[in-house]
Amino acid sequence: DAKTTQPPSMDCAEGRAANLPCNHSTISGNEYVYWYRQIHSQGPQYIIHGLKNNETNEMASLIITEDRKSSTLILPHATLRDTAVYYCIVREAGGTSYGKLTFGQGTILTVHP
Amino acid sequence: DVKVTQSSRYLVKRTGEKVFLECVQDMDHENMFWYRQDPGLGLRLIYFSYDVKMKEKGDIPEGYSVSREKKERFSLILESASTSQTSMYLCASSFRGPKLYEQYFGPGTRLTVT
Repeated sequence: DAKTTQPPSMDCAEGRAANLPCNHSTISGNEYVYWYRQIHSQGPQYIIHGLKNNETNEMASLIITEDRKSSTLILPHATLRDTAVYYCIVREAGGTSYGKLTFGQGTILTVHP
Repeated sequence: DVKVTQSSRYLVKRTGEKVFLECVQDMDHENMFWYRQDPGLGLRLIYFSYDVKMKEKGDIPEGYSVSREKKERFSLILESASTSQTSMYLCASSFRGPKLYEQYFGPGTRLTVT
C-alpha cells in the first residue's frame, strides 16, 4: 500500500475553509485515496474517497492532483465540531488485506472561534 | 444514516474474566470488523467477518475470539481478560467489493482490565 504523509497539525478559523493536504507519491493506478476523521473519544468516521477525479459530498470535497501524487481534503465552512484528527489512507478498493484500515499519525485540525 | 452500535461505552473487568463485546449494524453490511486502538500503536485489526459464521484473523487475534450468528451482529470475546487487553475497542462494518474501505464505525468501548 502507498505510504501517505500529512502535516501533524493545522489550525483554521471557524467559518473558513480548512484545506488538509496529503502526499502519496508512490500511489499506484488502481489505488484510491480515502479520508477519515476521528473526533476525540469517538470512533473514526468515513468522509470521502476518490480515484482521480475531484469528489464532493455533503461533508467535504476531495481534490486529487493530475499526477495523483497528492490530494487535499476541503471542509468548506469549518465549525468547532470539525476539530478532529484527519487521516488520509491509500487503498485498492475492494482489494485484499481483509479490508484492514491502517491509520498513520494524521493531521490534528483545530478549529478556533 | 448508517448506524453501528456497541453494547457499552465503558467497561471495567477483572483479570481472568470472560468478556463479551457486542456490535450491531443496521445497514445490511456483509463485512464486520473488530479493531483495537491504543496510543502510539494506532488502529489494529483483531478479526474480520465477511458473512454469517465466517471469520478471518486480523493482525492480533491472540486472546480473542469472535462470533457472527446473524448478519447484523458481530461479537468479540475475550476468553480470559488480561491487563494487556485494556484498550479502546472499535467495531466497524462495510459492504463487500468496491466499498470495502468505506467502513462505518461504532462509538467504541473503552475496556479497562484490572
